[in-house]
Amino acid sequence: QQQVKQSPQSLIVQKGGISIINCAYENTAFDYFPWYQQFPGKGPALLIAIRPDVSEKKEGRFTISFNKSAKQFSLHIMDSQPGDSATYFCAASEGEYGNKLVFGAGTILRVKS
Amino acid sequence: EPEVTQTPSHQVTQMGQEVILRCVPISNHLYFYWYRQILGQKVEFLVSFYNNEISEKSEIFDDQFSVERPDGSNFTLKIRSTKLEDSAMYFCASRLQGNDYEQYFGPGTRLTVT
Repeated sequence: QQQVKQSPQSLIVQKGGISIINCAYENTAFDYFPWYQQFPGKGPALLIAIRPDVSEKKEGRFTISFNKSAKQFSLHIMDSQPGDSATYFCAASEGEYGNKLVFGAGTILRVKS
Repeated sequence: EPEVTQTPSHQVTQMGQEVILRCVPISNHLYFYWYRQILGQKVEFLVSFYNNEISEKSEIFDDQFSVERPDGSNFTLKIRSTKLEDSAMYFCASRLQGNDYEQYFGPGTRLTVT
């Protein structure tokens, strides 16, 4: 029940296209859903996060869509650029209590120029 | 911009040896975490620390592991007797408090056990 399932494992998108990564969870106590971007040899960097009281959050080219009833959330990267090529992890936590982040398996994104 | 720092960036040790991984969390943060990432796999939670005590630990965090905040700035992870399977990237993270749920990760320490 603590798992977060992420898909796809890898994704190739043309420059300027839209990258979409999906995650699903079971634990209804999760109330915080961040996305992290990781470049090789680096630590995960917080990209954008959402709480379940909203269905969408947008920051620049990055948008999280959240479907509470389906227990799913997704990351959309608009106008994808080669510099976006990285591994993306979704995560979830019962945030209020300082609880651990439960990570998805990661998606390796490659943006072709 | 404040950031989490970790030392060393790479640690090579022999099986059975003790290692201490060091982290300096963001200065006004109150929650501290250790995670690990085995090469090519997802990030896994090890332990969380708040108010000078462990608040939660995973099954991975057995008696060989310990954490300490020896002063007002450092946060350490000790592995008493390393095993080959401890080889991984170890990430420290910190979080402010209250309604701010965002966890900020350090650059990691690559631990190689030979």
